[in-house]
Amino acid sequence: DTAVSQTPKYLVTQMGNDKSIKCEQNLGHDTMYWYKQDSKKFLKIMFSYNNKELIINETVPNRFSPKSPDKAHLNLHINSLELGDSAVYFCASSQDLGDEQYFGPGTRLTVT
Amino acid sequence: AQSVTQPDIHITVSEGASLELRCNYSYGATPYLFWYVQSPGQGLQLLLKYFSGDTLVQGIKGFEAEFKRSQSSFNLRKPSVHWSDAAEYFCAVTGTASKLTFGTGTRLQVTL
Repeated sequence: DTAVSQTPKYLVTQMGNDKSIKCEQNLGHDTMYWYKQDSKKFLKIMFSYNNKELIINETVPNRFSPKSPDKAHLNLHINSLELGDSAVYFCASSQDLGDEQYFGPGTRLTVT
Repeated sequence: AQSVTQPDIHITVSEGASLELRCNYSYGATPYLFWYVQSPGQGLQLLLKYFSGDTLVQGIKGFEAEFKRSQSSFNLRKPSVHWSDAAEYFCAVTGTASKLTFGTGTRLQVTL
């Protein structure tokens, strides 16, 4: 059973388009996260939700909007995609903020 | 602000040799420390964690790490490296109700 799953695994799109990445966890965790990993492998947190409430919002452009319909899902919608958005996006979950996190397999986004 | 430094960008070891990956952290309170491994094209897998108690922690795949508060370090070790250990290794720090901050990673190459 996959603990944290993401779809799609690969996403290729053109500048200016709008796209979404979905994330689901079946671990019963209360907290979910989105991270961005750039081409140099640097991982940076973007958002965190706890019980469907936004608790961490790093300095991310307004074009990025997370949505948590329930505790098991945290989706990421990106408007007006730019070349610089190309990266691997990881979803993760933990029981609470500060606990060990479990990561999804990642979504490689390529903006052309 | 919390931070993690992994001074070695790239390390090459021979199969069967011992391994030590360095990690130094900066955190104002009691840290929670983690080591994650990322194989090519994969998500991050938790190797081990330190929350409190015994400063030498054992993890999966034969890895261990030692927390040294006086040196603000949490170095990862393995007595005998296998070719399958080749991957990117990330050290991370967090605290109670705090976000997870990653180091820049160390790429491990294993020669046969």
